[in-house]
Amino acid sequence: GAGVSQSPSNKVTEKGKDVELRCDPISGHTALYWYRQSLGQGLEFLIYFQGNSAPDKSGLPSDRFSAERTGGSVSPPTFQHTQQEDSAVYLCASSLEGSIQETQYFGPGTRLLVL
Amino acid sequence: GQNIDQPTEMTATEGAIVQINCTYQTSGFNGLFWYQQHAGEAPTFLSYNVLDGLEEKGRFSSFLSRSKGYSYLLLKELQMKDSASYLCAVMDSNYQLIWGAGTKLIIKP
Repeated sequence: GAGVSQSPSNKVTEKGKDVELRCDPISGHTALYWYRQSLGQGLEFLIYFQGNSAPDKSGLPSDRFSAERTGGSVSPPTFQHTQQEDSAVYLCASSLEGSIQETQYFGPGTRLLVL
Repeated sequence: GQNIDQPTEMTATEGAIVQINCTYQTSGFNGLFWYQQHAGEAPTFLSYNVLDGLEEKGRFSSFLSRSKGYSYLLLKELQMKDSASYLCAVMDSNYQLIWGAGTKLIIKP
C-alpha cells in the first residue's frame, strides 16, 4: 500500500523566504510527527499532532516554524523567514492512533537548502 | 523500486548478543543509518555507515557492505533497556531517506 509521502523532495530557497512543507500520512492514520535531520546528526523531534488534541510543540526550535491542525486536516508546516541554519532534511511520520505501542512510518523527507 | 528489508521482530536473552540485519535496494547510496526507538519516544541516532566495514561504538557495532546492499547492527551484553525498535534507513542519491519498517527487539531475563 501507499506509504507516507512528502513534497517537495528538494527545496532550495533564499534566506528570508517562506517555505511550505507537505506531508500525506498513510490513509487512516491519525497521528502525525515532524522531525528534522541535520547533516551528520540524528533525528530531532519538532512537533506531534494526534486527532483533535492540542499539538505537542515541545521540540520546535523557534517560532518561525508553524504548523496547526484545523478540523480534520493538518495545515502544511511553514517555515517563515528561513535562515541558513534551517537547512536540513525534514521528515514526516504517521502512526495509526499515536499510542506508545505503535510503529511510526516515515516519509522520504524534504531536503531544504537555504542559501 | 526502492526497498529496505529487516526482520519484524527478534527475541534475545539478557547478557547475550544479537545481530539485526538490514538489506537494501535504493537509487544510489549516501549512507546508512541505524536508529533506536523506545515505545512512545522519538528515534535516537545510533550509527552512520558510508564506507564498507565495521564501526564499533561501545556495546553497539554496525557493519556495511555496499556491494551486497547489506548492513547489520550488533548489540552485545544485552540489557533489558535495549528492548526497543531498531530502524534501518538509507539515504539515496537525492538525499532522501528510505526507511525500513523497524525490528522490534524483545529482551528476556
